[in-house]
Amino acid sequence: QSALTQPASVSGSPGQSVTISCTGASSDIGTYNFVSWYQQHPGKAPKVMIYEVTKRPSGVSNRFSGSKSGNTASLTISGLQAEDEAVYYCCSYAGRSTSVFGGGTKLTVL
Amino acid sequence: EVQLVESGGGLVQPGRFLRLSCEASGFTFDDFAMHWVRQAPGKGLEWVSGISWNSGSLGYADSVKGRFTISRDNAKKSLYLQMNSLRGEDTALYYCVKDNDARAAGIAFEIWGQGTMVTVSS
Repeated sequence: QSALTQPASVSGSPGQSVTISCTGASSDIGTYNFVSWYQQHPGKAPKVMIYEVTKRPSGVSNRFSGSKSGNTASLTISGLQAEDEAVYYCCSYAGRSTSVFGGGTKLTVL
Repeated sequence: EVQLVESGGGLVQPGRFLRLSCEASGFTFDDFAMHWVRQAPGKGLEWVSGISWNSGSLGYADSVKGRFTISRDNAKKSLYLQMNSLRGEDTALYYCVKDNDARAAGIAFEIWGQGTMVTVSS
């Protein structure tokens, strides 16, 4: 169970789009379509933004979208807004009832 | 209202044990898998353990395997984490998390509790 790899930080200006990558292995992201993304604001519990690679829970803005290619998953946020500034975590099922998170990416809205 | 309330955290010496509990309300508890996710101070999220709806599938992170045991009591709508042989690196905020699926596959961690803090120190 090795942690998924995410960039430590990304940034963008309001209205722009940003993409956060999440690189795993053939034993997790590469095999399973159970990739999810979480947004965490300081002092708050995480919130699921994307699950099963591309699905959005009810109430999550359609500015958030997910994709996957090979062992890498991506989260794209379009039309950046100030409230999007947070830490984002990816997560993947890794088989045998186990899951693994990425290290987290801090998004700064300039 | 869907709610998860954790309890049982506190200050404990290295090598000792602690049992965390999580009481669920507002949803059909035995329809869903449940998980424990922790976050060390100033650090990222770490999945700790998961259990399927009927306790038939259990999973553990390598970092806790052999020391922690997850269990659930569907009649009491409660989730538990027995933590033995605690180490300093187990110091973290422990979240109880509801999956959106019955399998322990971490499909979506859709509901989170507020967490209970565990501090391992002499």
